[in-house]
Amino acid sequence: GDSVTQMEGPVTLSEEAFLTINCTYTATGYPSLFWYVQYPGEGLQLLLKATKADDKGSNKGFEATYRKETTSFHLEKGSVQVSDSAVYFCGLPDTGRRALTFGSGTRLQVQP
Amino acid sequence: DVKVTQSSRYLVKRTGEKVFLECVQDMDHENMFWYRQDPGLGLRLIYFSYDVKMKEKGDIPEGYSVSREKKERFSLILESASTNQTSMYLCASSLVGRNTEAFFGQGTRLTVV
Repeated sequence: GDSVTQMEGPVTLSEEAFLTINCTYTATGYPSLFWYVQYPGEGLQLLLKATKADDKGSNKGFEATYRKETTSFHLEKGSVQVSDSAVYFCGLPDTGRRALTFGSGTRLQVQP
Repeated sequence: DVKVTQSSRYLVKRTGEKVFLECVQDMDHENMFWYRQDPGLGLRLIYFSYDVKMKEKGDIPEGYSVSREKKERFSLILESASTNQTSMYLCASSLVGRNTEAFFGQGTRLTVV
């Protein structure tokens, strides 16, 4: 079945550092791809998405490009802030059902 | 704004109790979902529903049931709570369509003692 693999965390960075969180997927066809963010004590919020190959999703300084050749959707940000500390989930719609399948999540800790 | 509301942020229940977690969405979404979130395991799908009175099992349905009597409401039921069901429970909803995003509630932290 469809699956998502994310790099394990926690990822600890200093403020203004460059961030990459790796995400690779296995899926039938070319589904949309999503990044969600979960701040402490809250549910998940959609951060960005891409609906087809070579699309770049972006929001709040975060970017991710849909790479079908490498089946990847890595999340990047050029300069992180303390307020970016959260758990990030990569996800895609499961081929066989209507739910999203997620990676295990990557916790980001940004230190001042 | 899309809103998915879960009835409780925190719950403490005793082993063997029947537990109801309620979720309401105000966007007229057809699909609704219950996920469980545990450290190191990410989000795992328990059940989902694509229409009133329709439901399908997810990856970990054992020990749970669901009810969807109205389009906007999706309830998760723990028939006899056990300590291994202590977890964060997340409800979500979405429109029909394979490439639509899901909208999540704030989560319910359930502790079974």
